[in-house]
Amino acid sequence: DTEVTQTPKHLVMGMTNKKSLKCEQHMGHRAMYWYKQKAKKPPELMFVYSYEKLSINESVPSRFSPECPNSSLLNLHLHALQPEDSALYLCASSRAGGNTGELFFGEGSRLTVL
Amino acid sequence: ELKVEQNPLFLSMQEGKNYTIYCNYSTTSDRLYWYRQDPGKSLESLFVLLSNGAVKQEGRLMASLDTKARLSTLHITAAVHDLSATYFCAVRDSGGGADGLTFGKGTHLIIQP
Repeated sequence: DTEVTQTPKHLVMGMTNKKSLKCEQHMGHRAMYWYKQKAKKPPELMFVYSYEKLSINESVPSRFSPECPNSSLLNLHLHALQPEDSALYLCASSRAGGNTGELFFGEGSRLTVL
Repeated sequence: ELKVEQNPLFLSMQEGKNYTIYCNYSTTSDRLYWYRQDPGKSLESLFVLLSNGAVKQEGRLMASLDTKARLSTLHITAAVHDLSATYFCAVRDSGGGADGLTFGKGTHLIIQP
């Protein structure tokens, strides 16, 4: 199994809603990532979890709250988002430490904030 | 701050032609990655280049890495329409570990019949 699975694929939410994006991998990878991608732009790193601990937070606003319940799961909790947060949110995973460092990406969750 | 620059950012070419996409980066990383993204889709890993002088080929695509020049190239040979996509290079700025990748702006490639 070489897949990173993200749900939901599409999400529409209002600015007062609370929702979550979910990501799952069963490749035994111990590093997981959230990236944000706006249209016609490159992916931008948001968070990195290594061995279930948050290792990188790229100054992301607190309305985005990551969670890594176990080595296979990664969540992104969303609250009080703004319309400019509308984007494709990509989850990725990799082996942690001493390897190729290749990231495997999920299909993404396309978020629209109204 | 790690910077990754790609050029060109947009390329329109005819089938059967050859072309090269360039990726320059600002750090001493020896790990460089090429990804492909189709419209509305996720990123597909194409090549992982892990050392100076590394060269990898898959079909009509060939990637190379010169860590001394901090330059990677993605060469397209005899382009076909199916290669139309956006191509990103990405760099990891440390020796492995979970540091994430920094992406270039991407090259939007259109191959016309």
